[in-house]
Amino acid sequence: ELKVEQNPLFLSMQEGKNYTIYCNYSTTSDRLYWYRQDPGKSLESLFVLLSNGAVKQEGRLMASLDTKARLSTLHITAAVHDLSATYFCAVVRGGATNKLIFGTGTLLAVQP
Amino acid sequence: KAGVTQTPRYLIKTRGQQVTLSCSPISGHRSVSWYQQTPGQGLQFLFEYFSETQRNKGNFPGRFSGRQFSNSRSEMNVSTLELGDSALYLCASSYRQGGYEQYFGPGTRLTVT
Repeated sequence: ELKVEQNPLFLSMQEGKNYTIYCNYSTTSDRLYWYRQDPGKSLESLFVLLSNGAVKQEGRLMASLDTKARLSTLHITAAVHDLSATYFCAVVRGGATNKLIFGTGTLLAVQP
Repeated sequence: KAGVTQTPRYLIKTRGQQVTLSCSPISGHRSVSWYQQTPGQGLQFLFEYFSETQRNKGNFPGRFSGRQFSNSRSEMNVSTLELGDSALYLCASSYRQGGYEQYFGPGTRLTVT
């Protein structure tokens, strides 16, 4: 059974600092997604990573994928308060399916 | 381009009743998936539909069912509601199965009393 673990579960950081959220998954997968969720809201798509070594960047967020290590990272550069949200990674095992297996989420609180 | 729409946005039901939730995907998208989000269990997969066929089903009891219509709109139904069914129900829209982005709707907040 495919399992997805994120750490940390909660991250409090100061504005201007850098940090990384880790996403580990238990079996081979060919797709990894990152989403953002604000309180009481739906999921906003951030990145789709499709191959080993894939790296994508948008603003202060950069995501990477290492399929051999079964690890994805979401790196936050020079955090700002607007980045405060819960971040989820989700994995699709492969084949003709869109079934997402989600991690537990990381609650990020950026303090001014 | 309009996003994913879900109706209703909020719903309050009583135990034992049934409920139907609707999801309209982005125009041109033919894949719709449903998820349940609760504080205790997180985000869990319910079903996946493509071209009116259920392609995958999650580990939920038979009280949970769904379908997809020829215009790609999807509905899910929960019969004999239980308190534990209170959750945010999200649907995701994608062009098709494979390495495409999956866009989520605003969700339906179901409260069972």
